[in-house]
Formats: sequence, structure tokens, C-alpha cells
Amino acid sequence: EAGVVQSPRYKIIEKKQPVAFWCNPISGHNTLYWYLQNLGQGPELLIRYENEEAVDDSQLPKDRFSAERLKGVDSTLKIQPAELGDSAVYLCASSLGTDGGEQFFGPGTRLTVL
Amino acid sequence: GEDVEQSLFLSVREGDSSVINCTYTDSSSTYLYWYKQEPGAGLQLLTYIFSNMDMKQDQRLTVLLNKKDKHLSLRIADTQTGDSAIYFCAEVSGNTPLVFGKGTRLSVIA
Repeated sequence: EAGVVQSPRYKIIEKKQPVAFWCNPISGHNTLYWYLQNLGQGPELLIRYENEEAVDDSQLPKDRFSAERLKGVDSTLKIQPAELGDSAVYLCASSLGTDGGEQFFGPGTRLTVL
Repeated sequence: GEDVEQSLFLSVREGDSSVINCTYTDSSSTYLYWYKQEPGAGLQLLTYIFSNMDMKQDQRLTVLLNKKDKHLSLRIADTQTGDSAIYFCAEVSGNTPLVFGKGTRLSVIA
């Protein structure tokens, strides 16, 4: 069974440019998560979807970040415009249930903003 | 609010046991998890324990939970070089998001 797929794996952009990350969760997993992981830190939740509905986006900086999961499968996370402080690893995870625990993570996208 | 604390570094010799500790603050946590992250990879679920248990064993892994002290530990028996990674403790309560600690970097010396 394929795991959570993310692309690109690495992205380098200049500040003020837009950037988008893509995630394909494990087949059949209804819940999808986007996390931000700064160096030396644990992942921090940005947004959680149950099917196509964003059920928790309280930590998403909505002035520059947006996300969508239109058909309840793949998801895209966008930053526009990117700032230097956005340099981090963006992790996508999915789970079968909604209790939030047993999540399966993708390899992440490492974003560097110059 | 929730907070999960871990020591940042642990170094052990190959073949020894490793014990990684974690404390949490949310007394209503229902599940507690240990995740492993290897360089350049996402997090991999290692094991978890339900809050009404005090111990769980899974091959080389033993999880101990002291709910009174809000203390969780992960013991890895016969630690191997392949166990070198960052280990994250995480808790979940009800419908709240998973809360991760900062991770403990385990280095195994051959």
C-alpha cells in the first residue's frame, strides 16, 4: 500500500513569491492534516480536514496561507506571499478515523525562502 | 493549554537500553503516542498507549505511563544503530489536535 505522497520534496524560492505544496493521502483515509515543522521542533498543526471540510484551521495564518481539499482526497497548501520565516518543513498526514492519533505522515516538503 | 516536554538529547551504546522520557500537562489525554523521525523523513508511528493502561510492550519497545505524574516513557531494549533518530511524544484528548513534544534526539554509539 502506498503511503502519504507529498511533492515537491524540496523548494527554494525568494521572499514574496508564491509557493504550493501537494499531498495525496493514503487511500480511504478521510482525515488529512497539514503540519509545520520548524528546525528542532515538533510538528504543529496548521489545518485538519475531514473529507473536504476544514474542521480545524485555527492555527493557519489566513492572511498568507490557504489550503483546499476539493474532492476530499488530494490537498494543496499555498503560501502567498512567502516570508523568510516560512522556511520550514511542511508535513502532510492522514488518518482513517477522526480521533487524531494514529496518523501516517508523508516525507514532507522542505521550503527555503531566500 | 496542552504542553508536552521531552529532554532534547540521549546518547547510548549499541546493545544497551534507551529510555526516553516525556511529561505532559493535559490530564484528560486519552491516548499517548511515540513517533520516530529519521533524517529527511516524515514521522512514523512506533507505538501508543491508552490512558487507562500503565504499560504496553511491543517487541523491543516498552511504554510506561504514570498518569498521576503525567509521565510517559519509552524503553528500547538492545538499542541498535538503526534506532538513531528523533523520538516524539504526543498526546491527544477528545477531538483536539495531536500535540507533539520537541523531540528527543537519540544517538547510538557503535
